[in-house]
Amino acid sequence: GNSVTQMEGPVTLSEEAFLTINCTYTATGYPSLFWYVQYPGEGLQLLLKATKADDKGSNKGFEATYRKETTSFHLEKGSVQVSDSAVYFCALSDPIQAGTALIFGKGTTLSVSS
Amino acid sequence: GAVVSQHPSWVICKSGTSVKIECRSLDFQATTMFWYRQFPKQSLMLMATSNEGSKATYEQGVEKDKFLINHASLTLSTLTVTSAHPEDSSFYICSARDQGYTNTGELFFGEGSRLTVL
Repeated sequence: GNSVTQMEGPVTLSEEAFLTINCTYTATGYPSLFWYVQYPGEGLQLLLKATKADDKGSNKGFEATYRKETTSFHLEKGSVQVSDSAVYFCALSDPIQAGTALIFGKGTTLSVSS
Repeated sequence: GAVVSQHPSWVICKSGTSVKIECRSLDFQATTMFWYRQFPKQSLMLMATSNEGSKATYEQGVEKDKFLINHASLTLSTLTVTSAHPEDSSFYICSARDQGYTNTGELFFGEGSRLTVL
């Protein structure tokens, strides 16, 4: 079945450091891929998305490229800020059953210190 | 983007009572909404899929009689935790799909509802 695997956290960085959070997926067909962010005590917000191979999603300095050959969608940011501290979820949509819920990874906690 | 709102954002209740959580799509019609439960170590567990005008579809292991889901209109789904017990304490999050985003599969999430059962 479809699944998402993302790196275990927590990830602890200093301000302005480079961030990578790995995400790989298993799916039949061509899913859309997403990164969601959850700030403490809040729901999830869409950070970026990519709907087909080689697409690059970007938002707020974060980027992720849909790599079909490696079934990956790694999240990157060149210079993190304290305000980026949150939990990040990688997710995919079932490419066969369009009306179904997203499939999420377990989440990675990012903690950025000044 | 589309906006989904949950209410209440937090609730404390006594063991044995029932609690209702509302999920509203504010600027779009949602024929399908999803209820998730988030455990302390972050993971999101899909509880059920709520379809407007029909019975909800529950995931394996989720008690239908404990977690009652009603989706009476295109903008409102409710989750009622019946006879709540301390082990039901959790963060419950709803999400909805705007039909305009069907092709991408994107979901819009509510703010979440923190339930604490004493």
